[in-house]
Amino acid sequence: SQTIHQWPATLVQPVGSPLSLECTVEGTSNPNLYWYRQAAGRGLQLLFYSVGIGQISSEVPQNLSASRPQDRQFILSSKKLLLSDSGFYLCAWSPDSYGYTFGSGTRLTVV
Amino acid sequence: DAKTTQPNSMESNEEEPVHLPCNHSTISGTDYIHWYRQLPSQGPEYVIHGLTSNVNNRMASLAIAEDRKSSTLILHRATLRDAAVYYCILRRYGGATNKLIFGTGTLLAVQP
Repeated sequence: SQTIHQWPATLVQPVGSPLSLECTVEGTSNPNLYWYRQAAGRGLQLLFYSVGIGQISSEVPQNLSASRPQDRQFILSSKKLLLSDSGFYLCAWSPDSYGYTFGSGTRLTVV
Repeated sequence: DAKTTQPNSMESNEEEPVHLPCNHSTISGTDYIHWYRQLPSQGPEYVIHGLTSNVNNRMASLAIAEDRKSSTLILHRATLRDAAVYYCILRRYGGATNKLIFGTGTLLAVQP
């Protein structure tokens, strides 16, 4: 069966520090992968999506970047975090035209 | 992407049915209607989806209007564990990315 792993679960980082969040999918190949962010009390915002290795599309210009170095690995990064980067970050994958499966999320607090 | 409109919040009593409405008047012929829910501090969870016909699964039922401009998610017997934000989303078939664009959803409170 397919599973999605996301880590860490929680993270507290100082302003100006770098960020790396990792997401991996098991049990499937060539999935569509997505990064979402949810600010406190807000809806989910699509940040990046990828349809294949090295293929990244950005939905919103911001302080973040994404990479897909392997078929089932999706990484969200920042060189210098801002306070506004705080939020709940979710990775998701989609095998087809139908359902998404989301990871358990990373709660990032920038202090 | 076509827009959906949902009430901000709804309340239900435990073990009673819940009807969560969604309006999508600008839906196109290739848009599927998806429902997800998000429990507190968790990622969204797929609930159900449909195109034209009503759909049933173990979690819920989806009733789609004949003109497809509205739909209703039906939870047949609400439990306390059904308290969540419910999102109605239109997803266009055939897109290479199959992006899900979330709105603000409906916050469902279930009273014991």
